[in-house]
Amino acid sequence: NAGVMQNPRHLVRRRGQEARLRCSPMKGHSHVYWYRQLPEEGLKFMVYLQKENIIDESGMPKERFSAEFPKEGPSILRIQQVVRGDSAAYFCASSLERQSTDTQYFGPGTRLTVL
Amino acid sequence: AQSVTQLGSHVSVSEGALVLLRCNYSSSVPPYLFWYVQYPNQGLQLLLKYTTGATLVKGINGFEAEFKKSETSFHLTKPSAHMSDAAEYFCAVSADAGNMLTFGGGTRLMVKP
Repeated sequence: NAGVMQNPRHLVRRRGQEARLRCSPMKGHSHVYWYRQLPEEGLKFMVYLQKENIIDESGMPKERFSAEFPKEGPSILRIQQVVRGDSAAYFCASSLERQSTDTQYFGPGTRLTVL
Repeated sequence: AQSVTQLGSHVSVSEGALVLLRCNYSSSVPPYLFWYVQYPNQGLQLLLKYTTGATLVKGINGFEAEFKKSETSFHLTKPSAHMSDAAEYFCAVSADAGNMLTFGGGTRLMVKP
């Protein structure tokens, strides 16, 4: 049973370009979470999605960032007009249920570098 | 609102020595607590979690943690460190209202031969 898949693993963008990060949850999981890890810091929650719905985006910057989880295909985190401060590791996690007790399984992350 | 504090961003132990990584939390509701481990350039792997019931929780790789409500702590321990334990460890809490995790800043464990 494949785990959470993320691609690309490494992404380099110049300032002003767009970054698209993909996440395929574990089989059977319909809950997806995105977290950002800045250098030398812990992970910070960004957004929580279920199929076709954004449930909680309280951790996502109001501008330039968007996320989706379509009925078919992976979840996408999109960053428009990237800036140097967007350089970070972006992790996706998935869970089977929504309860707080349910385990979130993490992908290997996408490391975004903005030049 | 909830928060997690991990005391000591870096901990160094000798191989075979006791590992103690500290985690304190604050939560307005009964917390669910997690420890994750992150190896270099990899994602996070669940070590153990506390939801309800027994306050001493055993996890993978010989780690365990004890939930102490009176101290608002969930410290991670392992009796004897192994070189392969060198990694970054994150304590996290989730709220009753949703499933998003709030992480501490992490503790990097170094194991000396």
